[in-house]
Amino acid sequence: EDKVVQSPLSLVVHEGDTVTLNCSYEVTNFRSLLWYKQEKKAPTFLFMLTSSGIEKKSGRLSSILDKKELFSILNITATQTGDSAVYLCAVPNTGNQFYFGTGTSLTVIP
Amino acid sequence: SAVISQKPSRDICQRGTSLTIQCQVDSQVTMMFWYRQQPGQSLTLIATANQGSEATYESGFVIDKFPISRPNLTFSTLTVSNMSPEDSSIYLCSVDPGHQETQYFGPGTRLLVL
Repeated sequence: EDKVVQSPLSLVVHEGDTVTLNCSYEVTNFRSLLWYKQEKKAPTFLFMLTSSGIEKKSGRLSSILDKKELFSILNITATQTGDSAVYLCAVPNTGNQFYFGTGTSLTVIP
Repeated sequence: SAVISQKPSRDICQRGTSLTIQCQVDSQVTMMFWYRQQPGQSLTLIATANQGSEATYESGFVIDKFPISRPNLTFSTLTVSNMSPEDSSIYLCSVDPGHQETQYFGPGTRLLVL
């Protein structure tokens, strides 16, 4: 059965800290892994990863994929209170239906 | 990316009633999806809304409870029928623009059933 598992489930850090969020997956015919940030209702797209070892970067956020070990990490450096959100990873199946992880709830304290 | 709107943004309903949620996209898309996110949970796919044919439902979801329409390539509706408090969730539509293998989400509908 295909599944996506995220860890930790929740995280509380202080502003300026660096955090690493984990996503492991078991999905048949893997093509890509996506990271989303969910603040209120709608998840907003962050990254799509398809190749191992190639880092995607956007400002203080970066992500990398390991297709051999079947996981991805999302790093956030110099965290700010605006980074407080639930971070979701998702892996599409062959029909482009997404399997979502349980999410990591990040709280950044001033 | 695609710009997606949903109506209503939130509603409070009585048990036994039905609510229809609308999803509008600013461009034609082949694939639209409906998700449910129960409190404290991640997103669960309800169904894939196919234009011109019946929706494809995931395990645990049935057409009688969640009828879906997809009359054209920019619009879809999801009806939550005969609601119970367990249906209290955020309902999200998403679209796959078809060229990036990603999905973009609408703003969601927060439903509370009393």
